[in-house]
Amino acid sequence: KAGVTQTPRYLIKTRGQQVTLSCSPISGHRSVSWYQQTPGQGLQFLFEYFSETQRNKGNFPGRFSGRQFSNSRSEMNVSTLELGDSALYLCASSLAGAHYEQYFGPGTRLTVT
Amino acid sequence: KNEVEQSPQNLTAQEGEFITINCSYSVGISALHWLQQHPGGGIVSLFMLSSGKKKHGRLIATINIQEKHSSLHITASHPRDSAVYICAVRSGSGGSNYKLTFGKGTLLTVNP
Repeated sequence: KAGVTQTPRYLIKTRGQQVTLSCSPISGHRSVSWYQQTPGQGLQFLFEYFSETQRNKGNFPGRFSGRQFSNSRSEMNVSTLELGDSALYLCASSLAGAHYEQYFGPGTRLTVT
Repeated sequence: KNEVEQSPQNLTAQEGEFITINCSYSVGISALHWLQQHPGGGIVSLFMLSSGKKKHGRLIATINIQEKHSSLHITASHPRDSAVYICAVRSGSGGSNYKLTFGKGTLLTVNP
């Protein structure tokens, strides 16, 4: 089976712009979770999608949003980018949620200048 | 105080040594995860456990729910074990009402 893929792998954006990141889960997995990793805060949970519905959300501002499509692929969007949004964004897929083993993608490195 | 504390923050060992990484948490949890992150960012889920002990190859994870403590052991360590090891706890009543909190990670370096 192919692993979790994320595109793009690297991205440079300017403050104030918006960005969309994509995650394709392992075939058959219905849950996709998104995480932000920064040197200062470490890993933080953004949100989880299951069957096209947001099932859980971490403590992030509304500028961070996401969606999941019928094929389980997921996108996350960050609007009005701030310098502090520079981070590694990871997605993970699992069969049915955080109660199951999660398989992580390689991440998207976002740099905001 | 963070809800999830890992120790040590950094650990250097010689090849073949027995390694222990600790994770303490302050909230009631439904499960605990151990993750491994190699340089470059890729994360691998090593264990998910809610009680007792799990073993996979040279890796052993234990959890004591009463003491709110988990340990990750690596037997016969090898340079390829060099990575950041991250503990994460899942708390909440279950279903969609859960919270995931991560430790800051332990950087392990195993020298040949």
